Amino acid sequence: DAGVTQSPTHLIKTRGQQVTLRCSPKSGHDTVSWYQQALGQGPQFIFQYYEEEERQRGNFPDRFSGHQFPNYSSELNVNALLLGDSALYLCASSMGRGTEAFFGQGTRLTVV
Amino acid sequence: GNSVTQMEGPVTLSEEAFLTINCTYTATGYPSLFWYVQYPGEGLQLLLKATKADDKGSNKGFEATYRKETTSFHLEKGSVQVSDSAVYFCALTLNYGGSQGNLIFGKGTKLSVKP
Repeated sequence: DAGVTQSPTHLIKTRGQQVTLRCSPKSGHDTVSWYQQALGQGPQFIFQYYEEEERQRGNFPDRFSGHQFPNYSSELNVNALLLGDSALYLCASSMGRGTEAFFGQGTRLTVV
Repeated sequence: GNSVTQMEGPVTLSEEAFLTINCTYTATGYPSLFWYVQYPGEGLQLLLKATKADDKGSNKGFEATYRKETTSFHLEKGSVQVSDSAVYFCALTLNYGGSQGNLIFGKGTKLSVKP
């Protein structure tokens, strides 16, 4: 079992650009959550997808959007990138919404 | 609002020393509590959890007890090893009709264990 996989592992973008991050959940998992972890901080919840719909959302602007596909994989899109969007973006998957969340290794986004 | 406060690091200990990392929480309702560990360059791994008051979570020699009266979930280990060096996060989640809400994390405590 490959666990939760995220791609890419690192990327650098210019302010104002758009970025798409990808996540494949652990086998058998149907729920995907995204978190932003700024340097030296704890992860902050962005949103959660279940049954291809956004079920919960944290305090993030509309520039942050997502999608879940029928195979349960997910994308996180960020538009109009700001320097402050530089962070480690973590994807977590779970089976249903009441079970343990498993985290991927994250995507390190640097906005210059 | 709901939040988690944990002791600031870094914490530096010698091998075989006793470890305590304090964590307190504020929550509406009855949260589940977690400790996650993040090794350098890796994602988060669940270390232990407790879902109701007085529960004790334990794993790999680490323990934490859910104390409702003091709203605390302190992490302890009797004898740390160099391999325990990592960042430790305390977190909570609220349960809504059987569904788990999002995780709310503390800022993390970096532990360095010297040989």
